[in-house]
Amino acid sequence: QKEVEQDPGPLSVPEGAIVSLNCTYSNSAFQYFMWYRQYSRKGPELLMYTYSSGNKEDGRFTAQVDKSSKYISLFIRDSQPSDSATYLCAINDYKLSFGAGTTVTVRA
Amino acid sequence: NAGVTQTPKFRILKIGQSMTLQCTQDMNHNYMYWYRQDPGMGLKLIYYSVGAGITDKGEVPNGYNVSRSTTEDFPLRLELAAPSQTSVYFCASSYPGTGGTNTEAFFGQGTRLTVV
Repeated sequence: QKEVEQDPGPLSVPEGAIVSLNCTYSNSAFQYFMWYRQYSRKGPELLMYTYSSGNKEDGRFTAQVDKSSKYISLFIRDSQPSDSATYLCAINDYKLSFGAGTTVTVRA
Repeated sequence: NAGVTQTPKFRILKIGQSMTLQCTQDMNHNYMYWYRQDPGMGLKLIYYSVGAGITDKGEVPNGYNVSRSTTEDFPLRLELAAPSQTSVYFCASSYPGTGGTNTEAFFGQGTRLTVV
C-alpha cells in the first residue's frame, strides 16, 4: 500500500473557481504534511506545510488535515491562470513520500 | 546561494550505456533524495540519504546506485541503461526536523534522460 494516494486528475476550472485537491494517507502516525506546486518543466516548490489536524491558511490557499479519516486537502480560492500547475501532496517523514500529483488548469 | 544543482540538464543514452547524474547542494542539508518523474506521473523515490555514508533504497531502486561520501554530493549512477529509465530525474535536499520529520525540501531543476 502506498503511503500517500492522490487522485491524478486532471482538473480544469474557470478562472475564479475554487479548486479542491485531496490526498489520503495510510499511516496514522504521520503528523506533518506538505503541498508542493510544480510548474511545467520545473522542480517542485513547497506551497504549504501543516501539522496534525486542522486548517492552515495562506492568502488564497488553505490546507486542511483530517487525522480521523487520514485525509488531507488543499483549497485554492479565486483561482487564477497562474495557478495552473501540478500540485503534489507529501508526507513529511524522512523519506518524503509524494502523491501522484494533480494537474490543474485554470481557464481564463 | 546556488541551492541544489543537477548536471547534466539533458542527456541521450544508448541502451546498455552507463552514466552518472550529478547532484550537489550548498545548504549543508543532511537529507538528500533522488526521484524520477515519468510524463504525467508523480515523483517516485529511487534512493535517499540521511547523511554522509548512509543511503537507502526508495520505491524504485532497481537499475540505479548511489553513494554519499560528502554532505554536499549525492550522485546517481545508471548501469546498463534501458528504455524504461527514460524519465526526468530530480534531486532534492532538506534539513531534518524533529522526531524523524522533514523541513522544506529544495529541488534541482531536473535532468531529462532519454534512453534509445
